[in-house]
Amino acid sequence: GEDVEQSLFLSVREGDSSVINCTYTDSSSTYLYWYKQEPGAGLQLLTYIFSNMDMKQDQRLTVLLNKKDKHLSLRIADTQTGDSAIYFCAEIPDTGRRALTFGSGTRLQVQP
Amino acid sequence: EPEVTQTPSHQVTQMGQEVILRCVPISNHLYFYWYRQILGQKVEFLVSFYNNEISEKSEIFDDQFSVERPDGSNFTLKIRSTKLEDSAMYFCASSEFQVPRSIYGYTFGSGTRLTVV
Repeated sequence: GEDVEQSLFLSVREGDSSVINCTYTDSSSTYLYWYKQEPGAGLQLLTYIFSNMDMKQDQRLTVLLNKKDKHLSLRIADTQTGDSAIYFCAEIPDTGRRALTFGSGTRLQVQP
Repeated sequence: EPEVTQTPSHQVTQMGQEVILRCVPISNHLYFYWYRQILGQKVEFLVSFYNNEISEKSEIFDDQFSVERPDGSNFTLKIRSTKLEDSAMYFCASSEFQVPRSIYGYTFGSGTRLTVV
C-alpha cells in the first residue's frame, strides 16, 4: 500500500529557511499536498503540487518535487515563530481512490 | 472563506457508549470524509461518502462505525460501542470534485477530540 514518510522534528532560528522533507512510495501519486496543523487546531491546506510539476512557489513557500526519487520538500523562507506547527505531506493517487495518505508529520520549532 | 464545521470540539464518553460526531460540510461540496488522528500518530482515512452512500472505507472503519447524511447539511459519524482505543481527534472533510483538483483540495474541519474513559 501507499506509504508516506517524514522526519519527525526540525528546529530553526527565526529568519532562517526551513526545509521539510517527505518521501512517498506510490508511483501513481498525482496530487501532493502540504498541510499545517497548529496545536489543538485542524488541518490547514498550505499548498499543493501536481505530479506533472517540478516546482511551485507561493510567497514564502516553495515546493519541490523529484518524481524519480519520489521526494517532496517544502521550503519556508524567512521562517517566523508563527510557522511553528506540525507539517504533514499527503498524497492522493490517480487511481480513483479518494483517500489521502498522510505522512507522520514534521514538528517545526522556530526559535526566536 | 467557506468552512467545514464540526461539533462538539471535545467529547468525553464512557467505554461502551454510543457517540455521534457531527459535521457541516461546505454547502456546494459533494464528497465527504472522516479521518482520525490518534495522539502522536498519523492522520488516518476512515471513510468517504458520495451520493448518499459510502464510496470507500478503510480497515479501521468496521461495523462499529457508521456514517449518515440525515439532511441536506449535516454529515455524521457514529461509533456504536466506544472502546478506549477510539480516543482520537476525528476530522471531517469535504471536497467539491471527485479528485481534489482545486487549490483547496480537501477542506478539513477543526476536529472533534473524542476521549473514551
